Parts: sequence; C-alpha cells; structure tokens
Amino acid sequence: AQKVTQAQTEISVVEKEDVTLDCVYETRDTTYYLFWYKQPPSGELVFLIRRNSFDEQNEISGRYSWNFQKSTSSFNFTITASQVVDSAVYFCALSEAANTGGFKTIFGAGTRLFVKA
Amino acid sequence: DARVTQTPRHKVTEMGQEVTMRCQPILGHNTVFWYRQTMMQGLELLAYFRNRAPLDDSGMPKDRFSAEMPDATLATLKIQPSEPRDSAVYFCASGLVLPQGSDTQYFGPGTRLTVL
Repeated sequence: AQKVTQAQTEISVVEKEDVTLDCVYETRDTTYYLFWYKQPPSGELVFLIRRNSFDEQNEISGRYSWNFQKSTSSFNFTITASQVVDSAVYFCALSEAANTGGFKTIFGAGTRLFVKA
Repeated sequence: DARVTQTPRHKVTEMGQEVTMRCQPILGHNTVFWYRQTMMQGLELLAYFRNRAPLDDSGMPKDRFSAEMPDATLATLKIQPSEPRDSAVYFCASGLVLPQGSDTQYFGPGTRLTVL
C-alpha cells in the first residue's frame, strides 16, 4: 500500500537560513512518481517538481533542490537562503498504478514552513 | 497560461441543501481528479476520471456524493443532501496520462464549502 510520511509538522526559520523538508514514502511498485507541491496562504496548490522512480538524479531549480534516494525511500526538499515568500505548506505526494487503471496519488500531511524576516 | 478553473470559489449553504461544484480542466488533459482538504484529514482523493470515464471513486461517500463529466470541458461534484461535516475545500485537478505513465496534476483554486 502507498504511504507518504512528512514527519515535520511545522518548521520555523529565519530568512536566509537553509531548510530541508523531509519526505519518506512506501510503495511496492517499481514504477512510481513523486511530487512536491506548495500551498501558500492564498490556498492554491502549486506544482514544484515531479520525479519518476527510475531517475535518481538530484535536481536544482534556483533556490530549490531535491534529493531523491531510493535506498532510503526518501525525496527531500531543500530551500536555500529562505525568504518570507517561501512561507507555505509543502506537500509531498506519491503516484503509482492503481488496480482500476491509471495512477492513484496520495499526499503526505504537509509541512508548514514559517520564514521570519 | 492554461489553468484549471473552479466555480464557485466560495459556497455557504444550509444542511440538507444540494451543492454542485464545477471544474473546467486544462484543455487537452485526459484525467480529472477531485480532492477534499480538511484540517483533520488533509488532502483526500474523492474521485478521478480518465477520458471522462470514472476510474476510481472509492474515496467518495456514495450515498450523498456524485461526480460526473458530462463533457471533456466540465467535471461536476455534487453533494445531496449536504451535511456540516462536508465543510472543506474541494480541489479539482487535471493531468495528462501518457502511455509511459502518470503526468503531473495541476490544481484549480478550490471551492471553499461551508455547510451550516
């Protein structure tokens, strides 16, 4: 069965600090997809990144970077030099093939990040 | 800039009333998802469609909830009768499932439902 664990409920940092959000997942499939979404105070869910299970290359996009490690079933997200605008809830998600066809996605509980000026 | 649109953005209703939420997926996407977000349960998948056919609605309370896609540009989620415990934000998302696997889901702005 699928499971996504974001053990950090809330994190508070001061602007310009680096912060890492943890995500650990469980799946029996060899083919699956991992995602991170951002939910700012305005409420919308913004897509940040998608990785498939066969691509363990780490990725960097500006101040954001992601570390995917299949050996530990983790897909962690690091924000470098955090800014107040990074304050949001961040969700990790796992998508795998469903019995009914297509792919089924489950989301972690989210990590609320507060960045103080 | 293609986006998923949802209407209404906010809905306040009384217990027992029917509620219909609408979603327009991104043109060309072949999957549509309905999620419910509450503080207690987080983001829960209610239903999803591929090429307008329902693939999974196991997350949806069948006695009062129904989801349909009358055409490729419209998905609806209906609650009848509504109850206070249905108060939540309902998100619609659309995506493109390719032969090689799942694509990203893009979310609409959500409908904030309050049932009094």
